[in-house]
Amino acid sequence: QVHLVQSGAEVKKPGSSVKVSCKASGDTFINYLFSWVRQAPGQGLEWVGGIIPVFRTPTYAQSFQDRVTITADESTSTVYMELRGLRSEDTAVYYCARGPAGIVGATPLDYWGQGTLVPVTS
Amino acid sequence: QSALTQPASVAGSPGQSITISCTGTSSDIGAYDYVSWYQQHPGTAPKLILYNVSNRPSGVPDRFSGSKSGTTASLTISGLQLEDEAHYYCSSYTHLYTPVLFGGGTNLTVL
Repeated sequence: QVHLVQSGAEVKKPGSSVKVSCKASGDTFINYLFSWVRQAPGQGLEWVGGIIPVFRTPTYAQSFQDRVTITADESTSTVYMELRGLRSEDTAVYYCARGPAGIVGATPLDYWGQGTLVPVTS
Repeated sequence: QSALTQPASVAGSPGQSITISCTGTSSDIGAYDYVSWYQQHPGTAPKLILYNVSNRPSGVPDRFSGSKSGTTASLTISGLQLEDEAHYYCSSYTHLYTPVLFGGGTNLTVL
């Protein structure tokens, strides 16, 4: 059984950074694609970026290109997403999701974490 | 504004069928069969219900089906059940700068 367990909620101030973790268990870690998807309150889903741990090279959404870093730690089967320069519009639930390795975006996300709420407020 | 266009809401009665459309462009839905659909109940994470236009993951009832014509993908739910009341999101691959696009979501009400 695959489980994705994310770190807890964090309240952040504008201009600061947040780093959210996602620990995977139950299956081989490095041969899958991990994506980060966010959802602002009452809004839809927005893809932030993704990484295949065995390749180590992440792919980012254009709108986050300059502010986000996604990494993977094979030793702990954990994926991280760091978002910098936070603004109020970044207030959202951030989800980690896993799918089969392949072309980023072309593979479905079949397992999801529980989500991490990041309120950005002064 | 979302990259893929979905109706904001649809409604149906138990036992009926409904269809949710997802309209894209020739750079995404029109070019690839990498369309997925996700179901999301309030306060929970999204759940994959269809991938590659019409494939169902294990455990998803065959009441859920998908199709594609040109730049529009569709999700059909037949034999509506009360538990189907949720938000539904389409997603597609695109060869443009951001490879993953989502629709704005459709709120399904089962009356």
